[in-house]
Parts: sequence; structure tokens; C-alpha cells
Amino acid sequence: EPEVTQTPSHQVTQMGQEVILRCVPISNHLYFYWYRQILGQKVEFLVSFYNNEISEKSEIFDDQFSVERPDGSNFTLKIRSTKLEDSAMYFCASRGDSINYGYTFGSGTRLTVV
Amino acid sequence: KNQVEQSPQSLIILEGKNCTLQCNYTVSPFSNLRWYKQDTGRGPVSLTIMTFSENTKSNGRYTATLDADTKQSSLHITASQLSDSASYICVVSGRTGANNLFFGTGTRLTVIP
Repeated sequence: EPEVTQTPSHQVTQMGQEVILRCVPISNHLYFYWYRQILGQKVEFLVSFYNNEISEKSEIFDDQFSVERPDGSNFTLKIRSTKLEDSAMYFCASRGDSINYGYTFGSGTRLTVV
Repeated sequence: KNQVEQSPQSLIILEGKNCTLQCNYTVSPFSNLRWYKQDTGRGPVSLTIMTFSENTKSNGRYTATLDADTKQSSLHITASQLSDSASYICVVSGRTGANNLFFGTGTRLTVIP
């Protein structure tokens, strides 16, 4: 069964450093998402991406965040200057062109900012 | 306001027993409702997805129900196994906007021998 692949599985970084989280969505999917989940809290929407541009973003997704689809397969989330409160699980998800299709989530990247 | 509420927050049951998890939502317009299983430290994995016209759907020992009139859903787990220990998240999809997933906080299920 097709999977969404995320790397790395765990990233530890110092406060103020830049991190790039990587995702390979399912190849024929059209919509891509980043979500995050702070430990013990619900999953929160960060950003959606369609047709090579951001289609929607949440209040969390401020100027420190950016997304890219540098080639036909990868989808990245960059945090320019990490803060302690950025520590969370970050999930990439993708789906096909019907909203009744399932969203497929990756296994996540656990980001720890120290 | 679009919200998804789940109950109970946590549940402990004996292996082999059945249990039912509840989800109430206020999302409108409504497109579909999904139940996900999330193991600790892992991404959510889809169990079921139901549209407005469906009121029950099964996936092995998991059976989800949907009452779109009362905006309630339940997930029934039959003959629980130790591997069922996880968080179960109710996710409701609206029809408009790219951010059309609304997540519940989940029910943490622990199955004990």
C-alpha cells in the first residue's frame, strides 16, 4: 500500500537553528499538508499546498515557516529559527483530488528544540 | 465554530472485551467523518471514512456509526487485543477550504491482559 515517507524520524536541534523536515507524498496525490502535534495535544493544521503553491495556512505558520516542493517527489517544511515551543511531532499528509479520499499521513518527525 | 469533541478522554479495558468511543461534532458544512488510530509516536492511520449518506462502516473488528442528523459518531471495537492500545482520533471534513480537516483530541485506549 502506498505510503507517505518522512525523514528524519527524530531531529534534535538547538534553539535558533534552521531545520528542514522532508516528506515524500504518495506519487499521484495532488494535495499536500503539514500538521503538527505537541505532546498530549490534538493535531493542528499548519499549511496546505496545491498546484505548487500554498493554498491555506494557519496562524501557527508564521514567517519562520516555509514549504517547498523542490522536485516532483519531495515536499519540505523549513523552520528558519527554531524556538523551544516548536518542539512537536510534525506530520506530512497527502490526498488525491476528492475530499472524500483518505488523507494518508506519514509517520512523523519528532522535532526537539533544546 | 467547527469543533470535534471525543469521549471518554481515556479508557482501560480487559483484553477480549468490547468498547465504544464517542465523537460529537459541530462542523458545517459536513463532508465526511474519519476515524484514525494513532500509535504513540506514529502518524494517524485511517480506520474508516463515512460520508453523509453512510451510517455504518466496518473494518475488521472496528465498526463506525454516523448519525449526521445529531452529528454524532461512534467507533465500536470488538474483542479487543493488546495491539488495540492507541489513541483513536475522530476527524471531520468540511466541504470548503483546503484546511478541511477538524481533529478531535482523541481517546486514549489501553487494553490490559
